[in-house]
Amino acid sequence: DGGITQSPKYLFRKEGQNVTLSCEQNLNHDAMYWYRQDPGQGLRLIYYSQIVNDFQKGDIAEGYSVSREKKESFPLTVTSAQKNPTAFYLCASRGRGSTGELFFGEGSRLTVL
Amino acid sequence: AQSVTQPDIHITVSEGASLELRCNYSYGATPYLFWYVQSPGQGLQLLLKYFSGDTLVQGIKGFEAEFKRSQSSFNLRKPSVHWSDAAEYFCVPRGSQGNLIFGKGTKLSVKP
Repeated sequence: DGGITQSPKYLFRKEGQNVTLSCEQNLNHDAMYWYRQDPGQGLRLIYYSQIVNDFQKGDIAEGYSVSREKKESFPLTVTSAQKNPTAFYLCASRGRGSTGELFFGEGSRLTVL
Repeated sequence: AQSVTQPDIHITVSEGASLELRCNYSYGATPYLFWYVQSPGQGLQLLLKYFSGDTLVQGIKGFEAEFKRSQSSFNLRKPSVHWSDAAEYFCVPRGSQGNLIFGKGTKLSVKP
């Protein structure tokens, strides 16, 4: 079945460590997105990529980095520069020519100890 | 700036009762509008979408929504709520740049 796979589902990190969240899709979608969700805050856009080898900052990119070397993959690195990284992270994708709806992964919960 | 408002942060309904979740958006042209549902600790699932045509749209799980241009609203309804509908619901307009605009959502609790 086609879909978006995020891993790991739960991740614990010590302060000062970088961590990378994986996002893989087999939907043949061109665009991929990373969102951060905090309780009662809705979703905030971190980074997005419309095509391989290109990506743009979203609303809250500071302290995060991404790469898009393959169409299927869009990993997110949470760096030690991110001041408050504990959150739920959601990856999504969108097909070309669609009406704009996003397909979401199951999310990754990062906790900084 | 384009925005979305879901006035109710938290709603509690009894199982079997009807449900209406409110959504207002600000956008000049006819927007693309979506409703998503999120169960605790899960990703978001698309319930339904509107971009043209009939203003009453049907979605999955027995949900429907009505687009009212005069009121800039896109309220979500269900005639009889089931306990499994307890979740968070997001009304999401598509912005002029193609991005989706997420608000803070409405949390639905269902009483037995």
